Amino acid sequence: GAVVSQHPSWVICKSGTSVKIECRSLDFQATTMFWYRQFPKQSLMLMATSNEGSKATYEQGVEKDKFLINHASLTLSTLTVTSAHPEDSSFYICSARDPGLAGAADTQYFGPGTRLTVL
Amino acid sequence: GQSLEQPSEVTAVEGAIVQINCTYQTSGFYGLSWYQQHDGGAPTFLSYNALDGLEETGRFSSFLSRSDSYGYLLLQELQMKDSASYFCASNTGGFKTIFGAGTRLFVKA
Repeated sequence: GAVVSQHPSWVICKSGTSVKIECRSLDFQATTMFWYRQFPKQSLMLMATSNEGSKATYEQGVEKDKFLINHASLTLSTLTVTSAHPEDSSFYICSARDPGLAGAADTQYFGPGTRLTVL
Repeated sequence: GQSLEQPSEVTAVEGAIVQINCTYQTSGFYGLSWYQQHDGGAPTFLSYNALDGLEETGRFSSFLSRSDSYGYLLLQELQMKDSASYFCASNTGGFKTIFGAGTRLFVKA
């Protein structure tokens, strides 16, 4: 299947700092990527849909000024958590669909996730 | 609103068969997906049903009934490594996917 990478895999930062997480599709071009957040023992909550060359679409309740998303190329989307606070500590996961695959609408390929801890 | 309901936990023994049910209420429905997630890892795709009926992929099968807004994941010949969380997810169009709360499967020896 298609491969999606994330970097970093984990990060610890001080409260008030900003953290950038990268999501890359390694062997396909992704016009659309998705960013999820997952708290321990909970489900994946969709934060936003990242669209190449245009603004991201945020889900209700997600602060777009706090979670900045940039999808500058067909293989890279970034999520920047600005002025991070301890409550932002979570597992952040990106995903992408490979539009070149049959049934592309049906299958998401997830990155390995980034565990953010804000002290 | 949009919601998918599945049991929070299921326990089964090695070698057995287990079924994880999922009922959904979504505005716009294109299909039901299933994902597996081990602790600390990312979700991995298991199967997808767009049409009613059973889809079989090795030890895993998935079923959908659109008229009942219901589906299930069937795991056969359970192995210890199958202990994980399983999520049903609804593709609501526009490539947007909504996930259920997840079912933690414990496989005992």
